[in-house]
Amino acid sequence: QVQLQESGPGLVKPSQTLSLTCTVSGGSISNNNYYWSWIRQPAGKGLEWVGYIYSSGSTNYNPSLESRVTISIDASKNQFSLELSSVTAADTAVYYCARGTYSGYDFWFGPWGQGTLVTVSS
Amino acid sequence: QSALTQPASVSGSPGQSITISCTGTSSDVGLYKSVSWYQQHPGKAPKVMIYEVSNRPSGVSNRFSGSKSGNTASLTISGLQAEDEAAYYCSSYGSDSALVFGTGTMVTVL
Repeated sequence: QVQLQESGPGLVKPSQTLSLTCTVSGGSISNNNYYWSWIRQPAGKGLEWVGYIYSSGSTNYNPSLESRVTISIDASKNQFSLELSSVTAADTAVYYCARGTYSGYDFWFGPWGQGTLVTVSS
Repeated sequence: QSALTQPASVSGSPGQSITISCTGTSSDVGLYKSVSWYQQHPGKAPKVMIYEVSNRPSGVSNRFSGSKSGNTASLTISGLQAEDEAAYYCSSYGSDSALVFGTGTMVTVL
């Protein structure tokens, strides 16, 4: 059974870069059927898709974040990572990593990591 | 890329059926089968309940069902139970290959 776990600093200063890693266990991240994804959720608010990376390395980002986001993959460690640059308080949120499946018609996420809270504050 | 529109809250008594709507456009929800639904309990990660408008993943109760008409999708929970009290989000994969979530609906079991 595939499991995902986020890790990284819980506090980031404004204008700096937020960096998170998601470790995948119970399955290979090199599986060509899946898209490794990041989703975030500010406290008390809804979900926002950040982006995903395919095992080949191709990426797709939320247009509203695209200029600041980089998602990368390290197959040797079975991990993928998120970098979000020039952060502000608006980037404070719980960040989830998840496995995405695309059927040709729809795209859905599951399983998900437990989430990690990142606070942007000086 | 605007969030899909959901009612802020829906409530029902145990045993009743409730329906949550999710309204988008012809470029996302209106596409062939591009709607999923997630359940999120407080402090927990979301869990997919429906994908491709009406398909249930293995292990999800058949009390959950999905449908769509035009640019509006719906999630119906039948035989409402206390454990169904949670936030529910729809999502859609648009024609621009971007994913968008709904605004979220809080389901209360009275």
